[in-house]
Amino acid sequence: NAGVTQTPKFQVLKTGQSMTLQCAQDMNHEYMSWYRQDPGMGLRLIHYSVGAGITDQGEVPNGYNVSRSTTEDFPLRLLSAAPSQTSVYFCASSYSGTGRMGNEKLFFGSGTQLSVL
Amino acid sequence: GEDVEQSLFLSVREGDSSVINCTYTDSSSTYLYWYKQEPGAGLQLLTYIFSNMDMKQDQRLTVLLNKKDKHLSLRIADTQTGDSAIYFCAELVAGGFKTIFGAGTRLFVKA
Repeated sequence: NAGVTQTPKFQVLKTGQSMTLQCAQDMNHEYMSWYRQDPGMGLRLIHYSVGAGITDQGEVPNGYNVSRSTTEDFPLRLLSAAPSQTSVYFCASSYSGTGRMGNEKLFFGSGTQLSVL
Repeated sequence: GEDVEQSLFLSVREGDSSVINCTYTDSSSTYLYWYKQEPGAGLQLLTYIFSNMDMKQDQRLTVLLNKKDKHLSLRIADTQTGDSAIYFCAELVAGGFKTIFGAGTRLFVKA
């Protein structure tokens, strides 16, 4: 099973460039999310989606866009990259995101290390 | 708002027990989790506890939950060098579609 697949693994951008981080899951999960991981700050939620066509903001949404046109895919777009967006980005999915089907652990991708110069 | 706090570092000797502590603020959390992150990898669920439980044991792992103080702990018995990793405490916020993570505790195991 592939689980959650993220691409690319590494990316270097110049300030002002745009790019899309890709995320796909093959577990038919309704819930998908994007986190960023920064030293000493843990994981902070950027955006999440509870199903195709439905997205919402997390703790740190500014500078990022998302869309969910299919159940499987949840891309994260950086519109105009800034050095403050240098981070490790994780995509994660779970069955519904609410716990109604049990503990509903998050399944994580392996991460994208992004540097903005 | 919701917040999860945990200490950043813990160092133990191989064979000793490790105890990692966490406090959280949302009393309506349904599930509380411990995730493990090894270098260069994503997070993987280590164990979890439902909010109406006080304790859960799973082989070398013991989770204790004190709902009154909003305190969660993870005890790893007979800690091995392979347990060296970052451990994240997390809570699933009821009705909020959010899992909130702490900053992570980096566990060093000395041989």
